[in-house]
Amino acid sequence: GAGVSQSPSNKVTEKGKDVELRCDPISGHTALYWYRQSLGQGLEFLIYFQGNSAPDKSGLPSDRFSAERTGGSVSTLTIQRTQQEDSAVYLCASSLDHRSSYNEQFFGPGTRLTVL
Amino acid sequence: GESVGLHLPTLSVQEGDNSIINCAYSNSASDYFIWYKQESGKGPQFIIDIRSNMDKRQGQRVTVLLNKTVKHLSLQIAATQPGDSAVYFCAEKYNNFNKFYFGSGTKLNVKP
Repeated sequence: GAGVSQSPSNKVTEKGKDVELRCDPISGHTALYWYRQSLGQGLEFLIYFQGNSAPDKSGLPSDRFSAERTGGSVSTLTIQRTQQEDSAVYLCASSLDHRSSYNEQFFGPGTRLTVL
Repeated sequence: GESVGLHLPTLSVQEGDNSIINCAYSNSASDYFIWYKQESGKGPQFIIDIRSNMDKRQGQRVTVLLNKTVKHLSLQIAATQPGDSAVYFCAEKYNNFNKFYFGSGTKLNVKP
């Protein structure tokens, strides 16, 4: 596709349920990022994938959060046993190659997660 | 990571005026900075970037200024238009990793 896509665009779930959020990066982009954005706040880094390297998980807020990137392309962010404080917009971004120090990140439209 | 912050959370300007959005960063090792624009319901969109070996960079109607001495970054928008109304974020990168740290954003309101 022409840009980063994310699905679903909106997700409403009940407290305690698991959710999966999907990101399709731009074709050819080897780096993929997940961020969380709470209402009226900035972007909080969650996790970063680069090629076949081990992901940088330093931003994941708890062990209920995990992410995978299959085949170096599509990524899934999973939140287990969702809590109300998990409600936010989850943004995915991709960029070309981390070996170049200066790489613009292209963002998807985000998934708005609401935990009731 | 160290913080990236903004001086003004909300800025209101008249259409046609110039806008200046400021950002303070705390990590002197940061080597790359980006300004993003985020419209309601959309993901952030790249506006302009600057490397730490530069003081100024110009784009179409936008200019970014970097003052490394006081660790300050600014975005200037010339002849602000209603379509410029959005939240603007600065982001910094350091340690040669492609991980960016974002500020909390400034909301720009353009009055017609």
